[in-house]
Amino acid sequence: DVKVTQSSRYLVKRTGEKVFLECVQDMDHENMFWYRQDPGLGLRLIYFSYDVKMKEKGDIPEGYSVSREKKERFSLILESASTNQTSMYLCASRARGWDEQFFGPGTRLTVL
Amino acid sequence: GNSVTQMEGPVTLSEEAFLTINCTYTATGYPSLFWYVQYPGEGLQLLLKATKADDKGSNKGFEATYRKETTSFHLEKGSVQVSDSAVYFCALSDTAAGNKLTFGGGTRVLVKP
Repeated sequence: DVKVTQSSRYLVKRTGEKVFLECVQDMDHENMFWYRQDPGLGLRLIYFSYDVKMKEKGDIPEGYSVSREKKERFSLILESASTNQTSMYLCASRARGWDEQFFGPGTRLTVL
Repeated sequence: GNSVTQMEGPVTLSEEAFLTINCTYTATGYPSLFWYVQYPGEGLQLLLKATKADDKGSNKGFEATYRKETTSFHLEKGSVQVSDSAVYFCALSDTAAGNKLTFGGGTRVLVKP
């Protein structure tokens, strides 16, 4: 089974802090994604990566950056956390050429 | 651009009731359609999918038919169980948009014994 793990289930940070969210997948998938999930808005794509060291902006990249130094790991970075970034963050991976994305359990981030 | 609209919840049902969650979409190309489910405390997992018009996806007693003429992909289950309590997301993947997923807002379903 594909396994996507995220470094934390719950995280509390203060406004202005730099925040790192880590995601690791164990199935050698080329594509990886970061979403945020907010009530009534579904999932919105922040950034994605088609391969190592490649990144593309999604629909809501403002305030975020990403890093993909190794194929299995995709990091989401909040350079200076703000209260409007309080949300559930979900990571996903997908094999190239396939439709299905596999999701991690999510990190619920609270910015105070 | 692409968009997915699904009925707002929460939907509260009794066990063994019939469940329908409506989903309609707008897409520029020829999308694949998906239903994902999120159980409490977990990430999303694929429930079913359909890749072309008139295809029916099915899994765990759930069904959805890709209706191009009405741009819809409604989810149905004939007899729900308490374990079906979850949030359900309709989504589309469009090759014209690099196969990125576009999600609806999600529908929370609560099944009471």
